[in-house]
Amino acid sequence: NAGVMQNPRHLVRRRGQEARLRCSPVKGHSHVYWYRQLPEEGLKFMVYLQKENIIDESGMPKERFSAEFPKEGPSILRIQQVVRGDSAAYFCASSPPGDTEAFFGQGTRLTVV
Amino acid sequence: AQSVTQLDSQVPVFEEAPVELRCNYSSSVSVYLFWYVQYPNQGLQLLLKYLSGSTLVKGINGFEAEFNKSQTSFHLRKPSVHISDTAEYFCAVSDGGNYQLIWGAGTKLIIKP
Repeated sequence: NAGVMQNPRHLVRRRGQEARLRCSPVKGHSHVYWYRQLPEEGLKFMVYLQKENIIDESGMPKERFSAEFPKEGPSILRIQQVVRGDSAAYFCASSPPGDTEAFFGQGTRLTVV
Repeated sequence: AQSVTQLDSQVPVFEEAPVELRCNYSSSVSVYLFWYVQYPNQGLQLLLKYLSGSTLVKGINGFEAEFNKSQTSFHLRKPSVHISDTAEYFCAVSDGGNYQLIWGAGTKLIIKP
């Protein structure tokens, strides 16, 4: 069984470019969560999605950030017009409905230069 | 709002010595508690979790943790560490029924030969 797959593992973007981070959940998991880990800090919740629905985006910055989890294909976290402060590790996790355990991917490390 | 404090950013310990990594959370009526491990350049792996029942929880790789409701703590312990335990350890909490995990800042476990 494949776990949560995130790609790319490392992403370098210049200021002002767009970053697209992909997350394929564990097969059969319909819940996806995105977290951001800034250097020397713990993870911070960003958004919780189910298939075709955003359930909670209270942790997402109000501008430039968006997330989707379409009926088919991976979940996408999109950051428009990246700035240096967006440099971080972005982790995706998935779980089946009603389960308390979330399975994490290896993360995408975004560096904005 | 729930918060999690990991009191030590780094814990150096000699190989085969015991170790305790501390975690305290702000009080709540009911909580779920988790410890995750992040090996260098890897994703997060669940070590153990407390949902209910026995306050002593055993996890993988010889780790265990004890839920102490009166002290709002969930400290992680291992009686004898190995060089392969070198990693960063994160404590996380969710309010009962809330999917959002609130994370501590992490503790780096440094094993000295």
